[in-house]
Amino acid sequence: DVKVTQSSRYLVKRTGEKVFLECVQDMDHENMFWYRQDPGLGLRLIYFSYDVKMKEKGDIPEGYSVSREKKERFSLILESASTNQTSMYLCASRADRGLKPLHFGNGTRLTVT
Amino acid sequence: EDQVTQSPEALRLQEGESSSLNCSYTVSGLRGLFWYRQDPGKGPEFLFTLYSAGEEKEKERLKATLTKKESFLHITAPKPEDSATYLCAVGAVGKTSYDKVIFGPGTSLSVIP
Repeated sequence: DVKVTQSSRYLVKRTGEKVFLECVQDMDHENMFWYRQDPGLGLRLIYFSYDVKMKEKGDIPEGYSVSREKKERFSLILESASTNQTSMYLCASRADRGLKPLHFGNGTRLTVT
Repeated sequence: EDQVTQSPEALRLQEGESSSLNCSYTVSGLRGLFWYRQDPGKGPEFLFTLYSAGEEKEKERLKATLTKKESFLHITAPKPEDSATYLCAVGAVGKTSYDKVIFGPGTSLSVIP
C-alpha cells in the first residue's frame, strides 16, 4: 500500500511566520500535490510537481511556494503566514501522469493566529 | 468554467435505508471521474474510477455509475461504518500536458443505527 506521510497533524503559527509543511511518500511516485481543504469549497490545488525540482502552479498558488529536492519529499512553504491560510492541508502522490488515483496523507490542520 | 457539484450537502439515513449521492460536472476534455471516501481527521481514500458513460463499478454496498453529465454513488443497505464524507473528482485535460483533477465539495453521510 502507498503511504503518504505528513510531518505534522496540527500546527499553530503566528501571522508573519514562515511555515514549512513536509510530505513524504514511499512508493516512488513521480507526481506529488498540495491541496487545501475548506468547508464548502472542497479541495483546491495549490501546487504540484511532476518530477524532482519541477513544479507547476495550481489554482490557488498565491502566498505559497514549494520545494522538491528528492523524489519522495514535497514541501509546502508559507512565506509569511496569514490568518486566511488557516486550513487543512493535504498532500497527495500519484504513480505517473494520466488518470491514476491520488493517494493522500492524513492532512495537517494549520491555524494561523 | 470547469465545475463539479455534489448533492445533497448532507444526508442522514437509517441503517438499511438505501439512497444515492449525486455528482454533476461541467468540464471540457473529461478523462474520467473518481469517487473518494473521507473519514473525519483523515485524508481521502480512493474508491472508484469511471472512464466512460454507462460504466459501473461496485465495492461492497457501494455502486458508482456514470452518465455524460453526472455520476451517482448508490449505497445499498448502509451500515453505520459507511458514515463518512464522499468526494467526487473529475479528471480533465489540463493547460499543460498534465491532467487536472477538480474536486466537488463532498456529501457528508451519516448512517444511524
